[in-house]
Amino acid sequence: QSVLTQPPSVFAAPGQKVTISCFGSNSNIGNNYVSWYQQIPGTAPKLLIYDHNKRPSGIPDRFSGSKSGTSATLGITGLQTGDEADYYCATWDSSLNAGVFGGGTKLTVL
Amino acid sequence: QWELQESGPGLLKPSETLSLTCTVSGGSITSNNYFWGWIRQPPGKALECIGGVSYSGSTYYNPSLKSRVTISADTSKNHFSLKLTSMTAADTAVYYCARHSGWFGGYDPWGQGTLVTVSS
Repeated sequence: QSVLTQPPSVFAAPGQKVTISCFGSNSNIGNNYVSWYQQIPGTAPKLLIYDHNKRPSGIPDRFSGSKSGTSATLGITGLQTGDEADYYCATWDSSLNAGVFGGGTKLTVL
Repeated sequence: QWELQESGPGLLKPSETLSLTCTVSGGSITSNNYFWGWIRQPPGKALECIGGVSYSGSTYYNPSLKSRVTISADTSKNHFSLKLTSMTAADTAVYYCARHSGWFGGYDPWGQGTLVTVSS
């Protein structure tokens, strides 16, 4: 059972927009920075969003992040088949004094 | 450009101790405001934070693993290490090393990961 809650799967058509939610609490998302990762099976995760809503260089602006209260959202517009992957949110948990991840969301583009 | 590379045994027997090293290139682990972390992912499951260390030796550990984990940094070799004792089949996973900011803004970059299997 992960500390952060994500939907197990989301589906969307090519060209459409999808959002992936991440629910936590005041000890984690509510008071700490959120990051998002894309993981294609068999490869290491790749940072998509850091500090809630910032994109590392090389990440297209089709990817966006936001935070409200104790939840965070990853948005992906103009979906491509290459976006099919597992997506994870992460943050610090001040009660656990450690990093925590969500359970991951599998995005299918069909 | 920063690069991280994990190294260590791929197969352990139950009760043995896992020792992994993450070698950092492209920069020094003594750089300010960075922590150096270990994350693992059991087959088909989610990512799990194991813990991390700063160049000065400050550490944090996942409470569920704290009694078995030691993470340390060797500035002379520009690498950091993970030790996990009393390994069981439940510890079978891909182990990743990664860098994160002092305020835990995000893990980047990541190593490619190394599969560790625990089996008799």
